[in-house]
Amino acid sequence: NAGVMQNPRHLVRRRGQEARLRCSPMKGHSHVYWYRQLPEEGLKFMVYLQKENIIDESGMPKERFSAEFPKEGPSILRIQQVVRGDSAAYFCASSPRGASGRSEQYFGPGTRLTVT
Amino acid sequence: AQSVTQLDSQVPVFEEAPVELRCNYSSSVSVYLFWYVQYPNQGLQLLLKYLSGSTLVESINGFEAEFNKSQTSFHLRKPSVHISDTAEYFCAVNSGNTPLVFGKGTRLSVIA
Repeated sequence: NAGVMQNPRHLVRRRGQEARLRCSPMKGHSHVYWYRQLPEEGLKFMVYLQKENIIDESGMPKERFSAEFPKEGPSILRIQQVVRGDSAAYFCASSPRGASGRSEQYFGPGTRLTVT
Repeated sequence: AQSVTQLDSQVPVFEEAPVELRCNYSSSVSVYLFWYVQYPNQGLQLLLKYLSGSTLVESINGFEAEFNKSQTSFHLRKPSVHISDTAEYFCAVNSGNTPLVFGKGTRLSVIA
């Protein structure tokens, strides 16, 4: 049973380009969460999605960032017109049930985005 | 709003010595508490969790944590560390349907 898959593992973008980060949840999991880890910081929640629905996007920056989890295929975190401050590790997690504390979240290996 | 404070950003300790990584939280409601471990260039792995019941929880590799409601703490301990325990450890909290809130992490360095 494969774990949470994220690709690419490393992504380099120039300022102004778009970054697309992909996350495939564990088999049987229909809930996906995105977190961002800045250097020397803990993980910060960004967005929580179920298939075709955004449940909680309270941690998403208001501009340039968007996320989706289509009926088929992986969840995508999209960052438009990247800036150097977007450089971070982006982690995806999945769970079989909702964001209740009893539903353990399984993390992927992360995508390390570097903006030059 | 919930928050987590990990008081030590780095903890160096000699191999086979005991270690305690401190975690305090604030919340106005009942919480679930977690410790995650992150090895270099990897994702987070759940180490142990407190949901309810016994306040002392244990992991399979010798770590334990005790939920102390009066002190709002969930410190992580191990009586004898190994080199392989070198990693970053994150304390996290949530409740009901809220997202996980993480502390800033504690980097444990085990010295031979």
